[in-house]
Amino acid sequence: EPEVTQTPSHQVTQMGQEVILRCVPISNHLYFYWYRQILGQKVEFLVSFYNNEISEKSEIFDDQFSVERPDGSNFTLKIRSTKLEDSAMYFCASIWTALGTEAFFGQGTRLTVV
Amino acid sequence: GENVEQHPSTLSVQEGDSAVIKCTYSDSASNYFPWYKQELGKGPQLIIDIRSNVGEKKDQRIAVTLNKTAKHFSLHITETQPEDSAVYFCAASRDFGNEKLTFGTGTRLTIIP
Repeated sequence: EPEVTQTPSHQVTQMGQEVILRCVPISNHLYFYWYRQILGQKVEFLVSFYNNEISEKSEIFDDQFSVERPDGSNFTLKIRSTKLEDSAMYFCASIWTALGTEAFFGQGTRLTVV
Repeated sequence: GENVEQHPSTLSVQEGDSAVIKCTYSDSASNYFPWYKQELGKGPQLIIDIRSNVGEKKDQRIAVTLNKTAKHFSLHITETQPEDSAVYFCAASRDFGNEKLTFGTGTRLTIIP
């Protein structure tokens, strides 16, 4: 069964450092998303990406965040200068088309900012 | 924006009994309602979904009901088994799912053998 893969599974970084979280969506999918889940809390939408541009972003997704699809297969989330409150599980998701197919989630990257 | 409330936050059920998790949503334009199961250390996995043109959907031991008038939807798991133990999230979306999902707060379901 096709799956969304994320790397690394766990990233520890010092406050103020830049991190890049990587995702390989399912190959024929067109819509891409990042969500995050702070420990014990609900999954929150960060950003959606379609046709090489951001479709929508939440208020969490400020200037410290950026997304990119550099090579047609990877989908990355960059946090420019990490803060302690960025510590969370980050999930990548992809959807095939706009016609209501399910969102497939990756296994997540646990980001710990120290 | 959309707000999804989910109850209960924790639920313990004897193996073989049924479990029911309820969600309400606020945005009347939402028309897609998936349920996700999240096991420890893994990402959310879709277990069943329902669209606004349907009132009920069933897949083996799992069923979902939707009441658009009242803006609530529920997950029903019958004949529960230990492997059903997980955190379950409801979610809502406009435009049949290609727009962002707004998640509920989650229900930790524990099946007692």
